[in-house]
Amino acid sequence: DVVLTQTPPTLSATIGQSVSISCRSSQSLLDSDGDTYLNWLLQRPGQSPQLLIYSVSNLESGVPNRFSGSGSETDFTLKISGVEAEDLGVYYCMQATHAPDTFGAGTKLELK
Amino acid sequence: EVQLQESGPGLVKPSQSLSLTCSVTGYSITSNYWGWIRKFPGNKMEWMGYISYSGSTSYNPSLKSRISITRDTSKNQFFLQLNSVTTEDTATYYCARGAYFYYYDGTPRYYVMDAWGQGASVTVSS
Repeated sequence: DVVLTQTPPTLSATIGQSVSISCRSSQSLLDSDGDTYLNWLLQRPGQSPQLLIYSVSNLESGVPNRFSGSGSETDFTLKISGVEAEDLGVYYCMQATHAPDTFGAGTKLELK
Repeated sequence: EVQLQESGPGLVKPSQSLSLTCSVTGYSITSNYWGWIRKFPGNKMEWMGYISYSGSTSYNPSLKSRISITRDTSKNQFFLQLNSVTTEDTATYYCARGAYFYYYDGTPRYYVMDAWGQGASVTVSS
């Protein structure tokens, strides 16, 4: 199975600060169809996971544009440009290029 | 707006079967993919499998001998059964909708779970 390594495991930020989360894959996530199925989810405390970004850089409908995704092959980044209080929680990268889908271990974003 | 809600026993004895129901409103399960994902204590997430709009299934090989996902389209529900559970199956179980598109040749391609239920906590203990 594909192993996704997220760093850092914990991130402390102040409101308004810009932060980045890294997700590295044990193998290329570029599919034979030319697309890359690397997605980002956020699980706020007490809530279910919410899709933020799909296929590396596509913002899910309703998600604020302070979230952005980038990367290719094995290295991916989620950036939050100006953290807001509602952004606190655990962020997961997950891949659907290679079966079975797999998840990173999560990055907990907390207030400094 | 699609809504998913898991239901089922919160406590299961070791060696027995875990059975959960996902009730879907606002969207037909005869469209899209419908899956189960679980989150273990400590945040680790595991994709378990899905059932497609046509009724075909795909399972995580790590669970393949123990898992079954079925559906009742008349009730717009789909189900998870996990057999021979152990304490290691203690987790929060989520049902979710899978988004997909068609290639030019008509082959479907699932690519992300885009809507999730609230989760059902299941403890395996005697």
